[in-house]
Amino acid sequence: KQEVTQIPAALSVPEGENLVLNCSFTDSAIYNLQWFRQDPGKGLTSLLLIQSSQREQTSGRLNASLDKSSGRSTLYIAASQPGDSATYLCAVTLMNRDDKIIFGKGTRLHILP
Amino acid sequence: NAGVTQTPKFRILKIGQSMTLQCAQDMNHNYMYWYRQDPGMGLKLIYYSVGAGITDKGEVPNGYNVSRSTTEDFPLRLELAAPSQTSVYFCASSTKGLQPQHFGDGTRLSIL
Repeated sequence: KQEVTQIPAALSVPEGENLVLNCSFTDSAIYNLQWFRQDPGKGLTSLLLIQSSQREQTSGRLNASLDKSSGRSTLYIAASQPGDSATYLCAVTLMNRDDKIIFGKGTRLHILP
Repeated sequence: NAGVTQTPKFRILKIGQSMTLQCAQDMNHNYMYWYRQDPGMGLKLIYYSVGAGITDKGEVPNGYNVSRSTTEDFPLRLELAAPSQTSVYFCASSTKGLQPQHFGDGTRLSIL
């Protein structure tokens, strides 16, 4: 059974620092991995999607990497800003089950001004 | 662009009552999903649909029903509300199953 784990559950860092959020999954048979952002009281916004054949994706100050063999993904945020404060969730889509997306519980990120 | 619209945003129900959570998307997406998110937890899939007239169960379908009569709408029905169904419900859509999903802002439901 696929399980997605995100550690830590919460993180506080001073503004301007670079930071890394971690995601691990137990079954490497995935189609893709997505990183989402969720603001309080809001739905999820897709940030980056990495196909299983890719190693990384970049969007602005965000860089997501994928190592399928080790079951790990990281989301790197450069030069953090208070506006980056949110919960970040990763999710994997199971191979041959495009209806089956497994979410982690998320990391609550707080950027200190 | 409206995207995915969910109504209502908040609702309080008594045990045993029924209600329908509405979800509509204007992006002509074939795939639509219903998730629930409990405090401190990830999302769990309730039901999904790959097109009009086609629905299927997700991970936690018990106590819920869905229909998909049009591409745009995907309502979720609770027939006999139970306290365990207190949660935040999210609807999402995508062009096809492997593409990024677009989420609505959620419906916060409390069963008392």
